[in-house]
Amino acid sequence: NAGVMQNPRHLVRRRGQEARLRCSPMKGHSHVYWYRQLPEEGLKFMVYLQKENIIDESGMPKERFSAEFPKEGPSILRIQQVVRGDSAAYFCASSDSIANTGELFFGEGSRLTVL
Amino acid sequence: GQQVMQIPQYQHVQEGEDFTTYCNSSTTLSNIQWYKQRPGGHPVFLIQLVKSGEVKKQKRLTFQFGEAKKNSSLHITATQTTDVGTYFCAGGLYTGGGNKLTFGTGTQLKVEL
Repeated sequence: NAGVMQNPRHLVRRRGQEARLRCSPMKGHSHVYWYRQLPEEGLKFMVYLQKENIIDESGMPKERFSAEFPKEGPSILRIQQVVRGDSAAYFCASSDSIANTGELFFGEGSRLTVL
Repeated sequence: GQQVMQIPQYQHVQEGEDFTTYCNSSTTLSNIQWYKQRPGGHPVFLIQLVKSGEVKKQKRLTFQFGEAKKNSSLHITATQTTDVGTYFCAGGLYTGGGNKLTFGTGTQLKVEL
């Protein structure tokens, strides 16, 4: 039973390039969350999506960042024109129901380094 | 907006000593969850508390949810080296978008032999 799968695990980009991070939730889960974690810091909520819908994007920067969760395929977090401050670990998590207050299952993260 | 603070930020203990981390929310919570993140790893769910004053135990770990549902604590008895990691609380609030979790700042635990 595969857990939350994220790729790439590590990504290096130069300033101005685009970064695309992918997340496949656990089987049967239709809710996906993206969090950002800076070194030695906590997890900052970015966005909550269900299939084809953005439910809460209150934590997303207004510019350069976007997220989607299409009907088919993984959820994608896209960062355009990356800057050094975007260097962080980006974690995806999934859960199985909006009504169930149960746990979030986290992926192993994608660690973005911007040179 | 909602804020969740944890203290202490860091804690070094000798193996066998007890450890406690405290979590405080600026608003009344619907529930609280606790996660553990090993160095270089990802957060792993430990437990969820829902009721006011609730206490739950998992072996050497004791979790408590305050009467006012604004604070929580995690206590580890007789720490072991396997307890090393960062412990995060996450305050949950029911909104139109489901159970929105706000993670605390975390307490990093180091255990020395």
